[in-house]
Amino acid sequence: GAGVSQTPSNKVTEKGKYVELRCDPISGHTALYWYRQSLGQGPEFLIYFQGTGAADDSGLPNDRFFAVRPEGSVSTLKIQRTERGDSAVYLCASSLQGEETQYFGPGTRLLVL
Amino acid sequence: GNSVTQMEGPVTLSEEAFLTINCTYTATGYPSLFWYVQYPGEGLQLLLKATKADDKGSNKGFEATYRKETTSFHLEKGSVQVSDSAVYFCALNYGGSQGNLIFGKGTKLSVKP
Repeated sequence: GAGVSQTPSNKVTEKGKYVELRCDPISGHTALYWYRQSLGQGPEFLIYFQGTGAADDSGLPNDRFFAVRPEGSVSTLKIQRTERGDSAVYLCASSLQGEETQYFGPGTRLLVL
Repeated sequence: GNSVTQMEGPVTLSEEAFLTINCTYTATGYPSLFWYVQYPGEGLQLLLKATKADDKGSNKGFEATYRKETTSFHLEKGSVQVSDSAVYFCALNYGGSQGNLIFGKGTKLSVKP
């Protein structure tokens, strides 16, 4: 079946602009996670959804970052007033309810100029 | 706090050599442990996992044993192939099915023919 998909695969924007990154989880997966991976580092947790609600948003670095999952499937990560330090690969993962194994998408590479 | 430390790379081996990538963790409670692999140009894939002490995870000739006494989860393979060239990430999950993953920084493996 189809895996986790993320769009766009690459995004270049200018400092101060607003961006949206989209994640389509595996069908039937109720849990959805966003991570950020900087160059040479492991992924770092941002936010976790169980269904439509954000169960844990403790990894969001500041209030410029926000994520939604209005219908419990597709999720959008929103970054306001982007900064050069936001440049990274943003990864999305999903899992079945009650399962620990997370399945990752290919990521969106964000470059803020 | 919870953290994962893995050996720094890059690691360069000849084909058929023995591989060990060290991983140690710090965690409260009893986390599950994972190895994820990222092949060039691809997304993160689960390689193997172990959910309790003394469990051995294995896949594609790779093995790792959950050692609670040494808080370690070292990755091993008896005979590497060129196709094993990738970045390997050790990770822990301390929250069960509602927990996010905490990753190490990754170890890049290059296997030469």
